[in-house]
Amino acid sequence: DAGVIQSPRHEVTEMGQEVTLRCKPISGHDYLFWYRQTMMRGLELLIYFNNNVPIDDSGMPEDRFSAKMPNASFSTLKIQPSEPRDSAVYFCASTQGHYGYTFGSGTRLTVV
Amino acid sequence: DQQVKQNSPSLSVQEGRISILNCDYTNSMFDYFLWYKKYPAEGPTFLISISSIKDKNEDGRFTVFLNKSAKHLSLHIVPSQPGDSAVYFCAASAGGSARQLTFGSGTQLTVLP
Repeated sequence: DAGVIQSPRHEVTEMGQEVTLRCKPISGHDYLFWYRQTMMRGLELLIYFNNNVPIDDSGMPEDRFSAKMPNASFSTLKIQPSEPRDSAVYFCASTQGHYGYTFGSGTRLTVV
Repeated sequence: DQQVKQNSPSLSVQEGRISILNCDYTNSMFDYFLWYKKYPAEGPTFLISISSIKDKNEDGRFTVFLNKSAKHLSLHIVPSQPGDSAVYFCAASAGGSARQLTFGSGTQLTVLP
């Protein structure tokens, strides 16, 4: 089991550019979560999916953020246009049961 | 409004001593609590959990205590080891499932050799 796979590991982009973060959950996990980690707020839930359907996107900060899960093995988080305040580490996690999430290694995003 | 609070951003402990990490919550609907550990450049990993029907859960050197009346939980690590140095996140869930978690802001634990 390769775990939750996120790409890229690091992304540096200029303000105003589009950024796409990718996630491959663990096979068989039916829940997928996108979190953002910042020093001030810790881990914030942005959106989560169940069986590829978005269930709660109330944590998505603005319309500039969007997420999709076209199939059970792939999800994207897109920021368009990006701003410096979006700089953070973005984590994807998946789960099936009641024993907590499996997180990916994260994507460190820097918007300059 | 932060529903899960970790008021100590950092904690330093001598190797071999006890580490106590604290967490408070405000949502009385929370009934399942977890601790995650995070090393630099890695994602958080699940450490230990407790259901609200219990007040203590032990796993080796790690014990989590839950005080429902005070809406407080704590993680005890005994004895602390340098490899325990990491950020520890407290998390909580409502509805008897770990499928939607609210995390605290984390506590950086440093275990000094």
